[in-house]
Amino acid sequence: GAGVSQSPSNKVTEKGKDVELRCDPISGHTALYWYRQRLGQGLEFLIYFQGNSAPDKSGLPSDRFSAERTGESVSTLTIQRTQQEDSAVYLCATRPQLAGPPYEQYFGPGTRLTVT
Amino acid sequence: AQRVTQPEKLLSVFKGAPVELKCNYSYSGSPELFWYVQYSRQRLQLLLRHISRESIKGFTADLNKGETSFHLKKPFAQEEDSAMYYCAPRGYMRFGAGTRLTVKP
Repeated sequence: GAGVSQSPSNKVTEKGKDVELRCDPISGHTALYWYRQRLGQGLEFLIYFQGNSAPDKSGLPSDRFSAERTGESVSTLTIQRTQQEDSAVYLCATRPQLAGPPYEQYFGPGTRLTVT
Repeated sequence: AQRVTQPEKLLSVFKGAPVELKCNYSYSGSPELFWYVQYSRQRLQLLLRHISRESIKGFTADLNKGETSFHLKKPFAQEEDSAMYYCAPRGYMRFGAGTRLTVKP
């Protein structure tokens, strides 16, 4: 019965290192979304999954960003060779299904990434 | 593509004053719109959906097809309403840029 969880809650990394962010969806939710929220800015859509398929990767900012999902469960967002501009809060959200209602998204608490 | 625009990044009102957070949409088909809210140190959560025609925490939002708007309104703002507000269409969610509301005592 738990909501969407994300780990780690905070991550500090050195420029150039790779990081992996994890999202655990609500059980049974097949649609999963990743967003980025830079300080003082709005939500930036990155990618979504229907099951383990990602039909639209156009929101990923560069080829250093990639995401995977195992079946209809855990998703990981990987950022390679991190840059300072990658510093942001990364949010994950899920929905029961991609098509049709309900359309409400359930958000995780986010991972705050700081690249030094 | 479903797009929404929130023209105000920041909005500040005094407690007890009316507040309106603007959202305009621009897409064809039947719009279905939502308002999400993020209070300090809390996760983003749904505030209300237009299809329900509900009032949550004193907030209402009416879909105006003529003006293509979905503004969020509250007649008397409270300090606890201070938060970040996002307008969003259905689908895979091109959220608006968000409006930070500050209600001053």
